Amino acid sequence: LAKTTQPISMDSYEGQEVNITCSHNNIATNDYITWYQQFPSQGPRFIIQGYKTKVTNEVASLFIPADRKSSTLSLPRVSLSDTAVYYCLVGSNTGKLIFGQGTTLQVKP
Amino acid sequence: DTGVSQDPRHKITKRGQNVTFRCDPISEHNRLYWYRQTLGQGPEFLTYFQNEAQLEKSRLLSDRFSAERPKGSFSTLEIQRTEQGDSAMYLCASSSWPSRGVTEAFFGQGTRLTVV
Repeated sequence: LAKTTQPISMDSYEGQEVNITCSHNNIATNDYITWYQQFPSQGPRFIIQGYKTKVTNEVASLFIPADRKSSTLSLPRVSLSDTAVYYCLVGSNTGKLIFGQGTTLQVKP
Repeated sequence: DTGVSQDPRHKITKRGQNVTFRCDPISEHNRLYWYRQTLGQGPEFLTYFQNEAQLEKSRLLSDRFSAERPKGSFSTLEIQRTEQGDSAMYLCASSSWPSRGVTEAFFGQGTRLTVV
């Protein structure tokens, strides 16, 4: 499974757009890119998944360049409640999910 | 609530005791996953099932750990002869495979184990 690298932590302020980039240089042809969010003492929650180009849902956008060696999760106009750990996962949809250490996002007022 | 349910939410046990956790997945989901998470780390894969078949078990998992999903519905995770290093949050997740569109795993709230 492709290894991912993402920043350990990020700070932002309410109302700002936050972009979290994940590197996955060894991504395989059949791998998807998936992001999860986790609050303290809760299980991770699915945010978004994509294979290439751009995916948008009601929560976030996911930008994937043509070489797919990286991806960027974009959270528009964050609020204090977006303070959480964000995980980038890369793998096929046929098996297990492998989590890295994630990015701890701290949103300040 | 039709989400993934885990029981108990908290468990304190003495070193050397056996513990068993239960996970009830979303009813129509055929895949079920177990993860372990310690403070400051991402969830660590333990094992997963498709229906009643255990498809993969982490090589990091010692023989003291065993998981079952006898009827392809709920699952149990047992830890024998617990050690202090087993203290962690144990997370269960379920998903439907194959799926149209995105493959999304739904996680339970977890069982927090403390071994004293």
